[in-house]
Parts: sequence; C-alpha cells; structure tokens
Amino acid sequence: DIQMTQSPSTLSASVGDRVTITCRASQSINSWLAWYQQKPGKAPKLLIYKASSLESGVPSRFSGSGSGTEFTLTISSLQPEDFATYYCQQYDSYSRTFGQGTKVEIK
Amino acid sequence: EVQLVESGGGLVQPGGSLRLSCAGSGFSFSSYEMNWVRQAPGKGLEWVSSISSSGRTIYYADSVKGRFTISRDNTKNSLYLQMNSLRAEDTAVYYCARPRTPNYGSYDYWGQGTLVTVSS
Repeated sequence: DIQMTQSPSTLSASVGDRVTITCRASQSINSWLAWYQQKPGKAPKLLIYKASSLESGVPSRFSGSGSGTEFTLTISSLQPEDFATYYCQQYDSYSRTFGQGTKVEIK
Repeated sequence: EVQLVESGGGLVQPGGSLRLSCAGSGFSFSSYEMNWVRQAPGKGLEWVSSISSSGRTIYYADSVKGRFTISRDNTKNSLYLQMNSLRAEDTAVYYCARPRTPNYGSYDYWGQGTLVTVSS
C-alpha cells in the first residue's frame, strides 16, 4: 500500500501568515493527490484535487503544488476560518490512503 | 443539491454486527463509484472500502477485509456497509463519500457521518 506522510503534525500560526504543509508519498502517485480541510464535528471538505486544481468555491488563498512523491498545500494569508486540520489523500491506487493530518492552530 | 445521508450507527458489543446505510440524492447515484471512510475518535481519516457504479468492482482496506462487505442498490440510490466480527478498534464515525468524477477520484461530497461504538 502507498503510505502518505504529512509534516508538520501541528502548526502554530497567526492570522495573515503564509502557511505550507507538506505531504510525501512512499511511491510515485503522479498528480493523483487531494487536500481536505476538516473542522471539529464536521465532514472533510475538498480543497484541492489533482495536486493543484482548486475545487469550486474554495478561496484562492489555497493552492497546491507537486507531483510524483512530494506535494505542498499553501495558504497564502491565513484567515480565522482556516484554523482546522488538513489531510492529503492519494488516489493513484485503489487503496485511497490519507496522510495523518496537520492541525493548524492559533499562535 | 447533492446529499448523502448515513444511518445505522450505534452501540454494539465486540464480535457483533451492524449494517450502515447511505442514501444519495441530487445526482445520478447509479453512475458513481461510492466509498466508505472512517475516523476513530480524535484520529485521522481512514479509507475503508470502495464499490464501482455497477457493484462489480470492490476494494477493501486490509484492516476490514474479510469482516466488512460493501454493497449498493441503485434502484434505491443506497450504499451499504455490512460490518461483522466488530472490534473495539472499529469504533469510529463512518462517512460515505462520492468522487467528483463518476468513476474515480477525490471526494467532493460527504455525508454527515454515523457513529459506531464497539464496546461491552
């Protein structure tokens, strides 16, 4: 199975900061990577698909990049509503593994 | 409007069984692959199982293989997860999720989740 490793596990940041989260795959997944945002008690929300495509309705401060085994999610200017946990997911193989999550906390 | 609504969760003893359902509406349910994803309390997301639009192609995570069975009834726009031989580590919120393209992909719609608690 393909393993997905996110870093960091926790990130403390302030409103207005530029934030970057990294996701590494144990083997190449081409660009078959998604990013989700999850808030407590809620279902995950799709932010980015195919590594860099912005889902409809998602603010443009979110962006994704990468291919192969290394990917990043960037929030260009952190807003109060962005404090949440973020997950990457590969869908290159039938086993659609998620990363362990990155919690973005208020500094 | 696309909606996915799960039901069937609850408290069950170790070794017991439970059947989850997910009702889809607002889209052509029979055209889409469907999936189950779970989240243990305070933990991350874990993909559980996928079923193709026809029901002919099915995949499971190793952690549930041989114990869980995914199925669908396209005449009822419904997805199911039969869970047998339940263990404490199966305690989680179970979500059904739809890919953004019919055959495969990232998940653009999720249900609200249904909580399964395995405990004596």
